[in-house]
Amino acid sequence: DQQVKQNSPSLSVQEGRISILNCDYTNSMFDYFLWYKKYPAEGPTFLISISSIKDKNEDGRFTVFLNKSAKHLSLHIVPSQPGDSAVYFCAASEASGNTPLVFGKGTRLSVIA
Amino acid sequence: SQTIHQWPATLVQPVGSPLSLECTVEGTSNPNLYWYRQAAGRGLQLLFYSVGIGQISSEVPQNLSASRPQDRQFILSSKKLLLSDSGFYLCACSTGGHGYTFGSGTRLTVV
Repeated sequence: DQQVKQNSPSLSVQEGRISILNCDYTNSMFDYFLWYKKYPAEGPTFLISISSIKDKNEDGRFTVFLNKSAKHLSLHIVPSQPGDSAVYFCAASEASGNTPLVFGKGTRLSVIA
Repeated sequence: SQTIHQWPATLVQPVGSPLSLECTVEGTSNPNLYWYRQAAGRGLQLLFYSVGIGQISSEVPQNLSASRPQDRQFILSSKKLLLSDSGFYLCACSTGGHGYTFGSGTRLTVV
């Protein structure tokens, strides 16, 4: 049973427009959420995170929104750039941070120039 | 900040052959260590994690095993590879917080 779901395997966006990547979770014990970005043949790199005490966290062009009641989070990239083309993984962890991160299956974002 | 060294970058092995992938960590001590596999359509699947020397937790039953002989060394092994073991293997570490640092990965192709 998948606890972290990314239902869109791929997304195509034009350069300069907004990219919205979605993630849903089922485990109510999750209270810290992260987004990782992965290029082919490389390890994932941390992008942005959010704690459950917040509903929004912003870092430059990247904003993560959290809706706890809906168990849903989203990553917004504005404006999208060709270099943003990668696979984006949503991950979640429980309060203690001592249990392994649970990852979604990823969404492949293609930003078209 | 911690750095993870993972090798080899690519590996082609015949079915039935053994496997040993090594991961070492620099820049921290007593990290939590993880092995993940990215297979087509499966996302990042946790295989093993370790909170200390000799302590291994297995998440997915399979013909792989892991060992942690030293604080900053994590090894993924198999006695006999299967075709289904093909994938991209990632080592990761954390120091008790929520974020992970990942290695650059090993692309394993079993033929």
